[in-house]
Amino acid sequence: DAGVIQSPRHEVTEMGQEVTLRCKPISGHDYLFWYRQTMMRGLELLIYFNNNVPIDDSGMPEDRFSAKMPNASFSTLKIQPSEPRDSAVYFCASSQPGPLVYEQYFGPGTRLTVT
Amino acid sequence: RKEVEQDPGPFNVPEGATVAFNCTYSNSASQSFFWYRQDCRKEPKLLMSVYSSGNEDGRFTAQLNRASQYISLLIRDSKLSDSATYLCVVNKGEGTYKYIFGTGTRLKVLA
Repeated sequence: DAGVIQSPRHEVTEMGQEVTLRCKPISGHDYLFWYRQTMMRGLELLIYFNNNVPIDDSGMPEDRFSAKMPNASFSTLKIQPSEPRDSAVYFCASSQPGPLVYEQYFGPGTRLTVT
Repeated sequence: RKEVEQDPGPFNVPEGATVAFNCTYSNSASQSFFWYRQDCRKEPKLLMSVYSSGNEDGRFTAQLNRASQYISLLIRDSKLSDSATYLCVVNKGEGTYKYIFGTGTRLKVLA
């Protein structure tokens, strides 16, 4: 069974450009999480969805960040305009409903560099 | 004060040694606790949950102290393959799936 799929794996862009990160959760998982990881701040939850509905977006740093989940198998995280301080590894994770909801399966991450 | 705090390490230990990490959390309403493992430039993976009564999985033992608000991870008979960063994870409060990750403790097991 395929794990969480993220694309692109690496993204280098210039300040001011729009960046779109993509995630395909594991089939049957109805929780989806977006995280950002930096050396200084560690792994931070940005937003999470349940059944395609955003439940908590309090971790989204500012209006430049937006996330959508149009269906159960796809989510995007968009940054517009991007800034150098957005450089980080962005992880998507999913988990299944029921008693094992706490076990999050992470994708390989997208390493974003904004110059 | 950070919501979840860990000693960043690194902890350098010889093969076969026993090593322990602690993690403190600030939210007394937290109900769920976990240890995740992250290898260099890889994604985090669940290592084990932490139960109130303490739990063991092979060479790994996790314990929770609610009164002092800390959890611990003990690794016995360390292997080279245990070298990784160990992330302490706590949920934000009852009924939420919002998880707070610590910045991790780095372990290096030396031959």
